Amino acid sequence: DIVMTQSPDSLAVSLGERATINCKSSQSVLSSSNNKNYLAWFQQKPGQPPKLLIYWASTRESGVPDRFSGSGSGTDFTLTISSLQAEDVAVYYCQQYYSSPITFGQGTRLESK
Amino acid sequence: EVQLVESGGGLVQPGGSLRLSCAASGFNFNNYWMTWVRQAPGKGLEWVANINQDANERYYVDSVKGRFTISRDNAKSSLYLQMNSLRVEDTAVYYCAAGGGFLVDYWGQGTLVTVSS
Repeated sequence: DIVMTQSPDSLAVSLGERATINCKSSQSVLSSSNNKNYLAWFQQKPGQPPKLLIYWASTRESGVPDRFSGSGSGTDFTLTISSLQAEDVAVYYCQQYYSSPITFGQGTRLESK
Repeated sequence: EVQLVESGGGLVQPGGSLRLSCAASGFNFNNYWMTWVRQAPGKGLEWVANINQDANERYYVDSVKGRFTISRDNAKSSLYLQMNSLRVEDTAVYYCAAGGGFLVDYWGQGTLVTVSS
């Protein structure tokens, strides 16, 4: 199984400042057949289901603000929120969909300072 | 508008069974992989099972293999999860989700399953 490890577990950032969340996979999720990274990022607010933000490691889902961006390849990935807004307070999960079983990171709780 | 509505959750004793359902609307159900993901109280997300469009591919997390069965009825745009031999550790909110392949795009609101004596 591919183990996904996020860092940090929690993060406090001032509104308007940059937030960076890291995700590391225990093996590469880059496909040699299509050169795509099978890595997604989700946002979950209390009492709500997760929401897809980023897929293919860096493609923003329709309707997601452009302050959210994803980067990385192979085994190391980053979610960046360029300017934290109050509505971005949530738990963020990375997920690999390269192989079964699909696995998620443990989550990073993002708070405002 | 895409809608996924789960039902069938509730309180069950250890060793018991439950059948979860998910009614889909607002998209072409027949064209999507369907997935169950669960979240124990205060914990992270755990993928449980998924099924392809024709139901000839099904995958399960090891902890539910032999106990849970995922199925679908394309004529009814519905997804199911038959859960047998339930354990206390199966207590969670169970989300129905849809996507292309293993990527999940759309999520339902979830249904709570509580396994307790």
